[in-house]
Amino acid sequence: NAGVTQTPKFQVLKTGQSMTLQCAQDMNHEYMSWYRQDPGMGLRLIHYSVGAGITDQGEVPNGYNVSRSTTEDFPLRLLSAAPSQTSVYFCASSRLRGGIQYFGAGTRLSVL
Amino acid sequence: KNEVEQSPQNLTAQEGEFITINCSYSVGISALHWLQQHPGGGIVSLFMLSSGKKKHGRLIATINIQEKHSSLHITASHPRDSAVYICAVIGETSYDKVIFGPGTSLSVIP
Repeated sequence: NAGVTQTPKFQVLKTGQSMTLQCAQDMNHEYMSWYRQDPGMGLRLIHYSVGAGITDQGEVPNGYNVSRSTTEDFPLRLLSAAPSQTSVYFCASSRLRGGIQYFGAGTRLSVL
Repeated sequence: KNEVEQSPQNLTAQEGEFITINCSYSVGISALHWLQQHPGGGIVSLFMLSSGKKKHGRLIATINIQEKHSSLHITASHPRDSAVYICAVIGETSYDKVIFGPGTSLSVIP
């Protein structure tokens, strides 16, 4: 099993550009989440999903969209990138509600 | 006041020392997680606790639900233990959301 796979690992965007961060898991987990990690802030929840077709907002959802058309994939879309979205983004999945989470390797995003 | 706090923020230890990292929280929880983030950025789950104590190798995690406090202990610390250790809680009513602490940065010197 590959676990949780995130692509790309690094990305540089210009203000106003859009892009999609990809996340895929092969563990058949129902629960998937996107987090951002900023210095001194810890991990913060952006969006999460409790199963295919079901998504909900987390703590910092503004400027991001998600969809969950399959159990395996949970892409995160930046609609119009802003410098405030410069961060490291982690995708995670878990089998149980509140259970152990498996994290992807992260995507380091810079918005200029 | 943050819902999950950790102490110390930074910790430097000599190889072989016994290390304790503390986590306190202010919300009712159904479970607490300890995570390790390596210098390269990868995050792995170490423990999930809802009561008592768990042990894995040189790592021991305890939780006191009444006092809203958890500790992570590392016995016989080694330079490879150098990492950021993150406490995270699952709320009693928000099972789908995890609240993370700010992390404790540990450096173990040979």
